[in-house]
Amino acid sequence: SYVLTQPPSVSVAPGKTARITCGGNNIGSKSVHWYQQKPGQAPVLVIYYDSDRPSGIPERFSGSNSGNTATLTISRVEAGDEADYYCQVWDSSSDIRVFGGGTKLTVL
Amino acid sequence: EVQLVESGGGLVQPGGSLRLSCAASGFTFSSYWMSWVRQAPGKGLEWVANIKQDGSEKYYVDSVKGRFTISRDNAKNSLYLQMNSLRAEDTAVYYCARDRTPQRDRPGDDAFDIWGQGTMVTVSS
Repeated sequence: SYVLTQPPSVSVAPGKTARITCGGNNIGSKSVHWYQQKPGQAPVLVIYYDSDRPSGIPERFSGSNSGNTATLTISRVEAGDEADYYCQVWDSSSDIRVFGGGTKLTVL
Repeated sequence: EVQLVESGGGLVQPGGSLRLSCAASGFTFSSYWMSWVRQAPGKGLEWVANIKQDGSEKYYVDSVKGRFTISRDNAKNSLYLQMNSLRAEDTAVYYCARDRTPQRDRPGDDAFDIWGQGTMVTVSS
């Protein structure tokens, strides 16, 4: 089955830019979605179809996808952005949804 | 308000059964693919199963095939997950989640835009 690889952790200072990667074989040919999950809460969709933002998600959140890597970029990071972030795609060969292992974003 | 509310979790012995429910409100439930997603304690998200608007198509992750059954009752705006032959590794918070786009014919590459708060399932003797 299709495998998505994320770094376990990313640290960034407030006001700086955080980049969280999601690696997969030719992931650029797939649509990637990103979720934010804070402790004890359900996940929240922050980016869909590689780079679209749902209503209510700040413009500081953006996404890109090319080759073997998709990237979630958070600009001007705030303390409230500290959370786990998951990428997700659809594996068309088996009609199943696949999540990456998740990345814990720490705001220093 | 668009909302999903799960129920039915609890403590069950290995080999036992449990039925989870997810009550939907605030949107036309019958128009959307729906999924169950789980998260073991301290671990990441794992998609479990999904079901088409009319229940005619269902897909499962390999680890639950033959043990779990997803179903829905559009008249009651409800989604279900029947879990049999439970194992310790099934211990997790189970979320129901809605596909973002209504009226999709194929499961496709849609995102989950609405999630419930989750219900905890613990499999232990």
